[in-house]
Amino acid sequence: AQKVTQTQTSISVMEKTTVTMDCVYETRDSSYFLFWYKQTASGEIVFLIRQDSYKKENATEGHYSLNFQKPKSSIGLIITATQIEDSAVYFCAMTPASSSFSKLVFGQGTSLSVVP
Amino acid sequence: GPKVLQIPSHQIIDMGQMVTLNCDPVSNHLYFYWYKQILGQQMEFLVNFYNGKVMEKSKLFKDQFSVERPDGSYFTLKIQPTALEDSAVYFCASSSRDNANTEVFFGKGTRLTVV
Repeated sequence: AQKVTQTQTSISVMEKTTVTMDCVYETRDSSYFLFWYKQTASGEIVFLIRQDSYKKENATEGHYSLNFQKPKSSIGLIITATQIEDSAVYFCAMTPASSSFSKLVFGQGTSLSVVP
Repeated sequence: GPKVLQIPSHQIIDMGQMVTLNCDPVSNHLYFYWYKQILGQQMEFLVNFYNGKVMEKSKLFKDQFSVERPDGSYFTLKIQPTALEDSAVYFCASSSRDNANTEVFFGKGTRLTVV
């Protein structure tokens, strides 16, 4: 069974700085997908970025990028030039590539507060 | 972007009663999911549903739970009877394809409070 762990409960950063959120995972699958979602104050869950385990290049999407360290089973999310509206709870998730259907396993979430 | 709508946003129900949570998935999506999030914890997979059938369910999907999507209308999660431990936020999600790397779109959740 898969397991996803986010040890940072909450982070507070100054606006326009860079923040990294940690995530480690456990899986016996050789191929899998890793995702980051954010949950806004209104409850909306928004997909941010994805990393395919067989790709060595770190995924990037706008001001989001990933630090994928496969030997460490680690997939950190990096947000550059943070904005107030980036304040949210960020969830790391994974699913095995062999799965016929999405069956996301989520971490506990990291609450990010971006202050002026 | 595509939206998954969940109705209602909050429901309070007496223990032992039946509750139905409604989800209006993205219009051209064919794969549907329910996730459960207890306050302060991570979201956990409950069930996925395709072509009128439950394809996979977790151990959280108790016998008191059922899902259906009659005639392409709402995708529903029914709990009968409800128990106190069913209090949580239930998220509906949908996707367009049957592979694990497809983006899944989530609703805003229905907060269920069983009293």
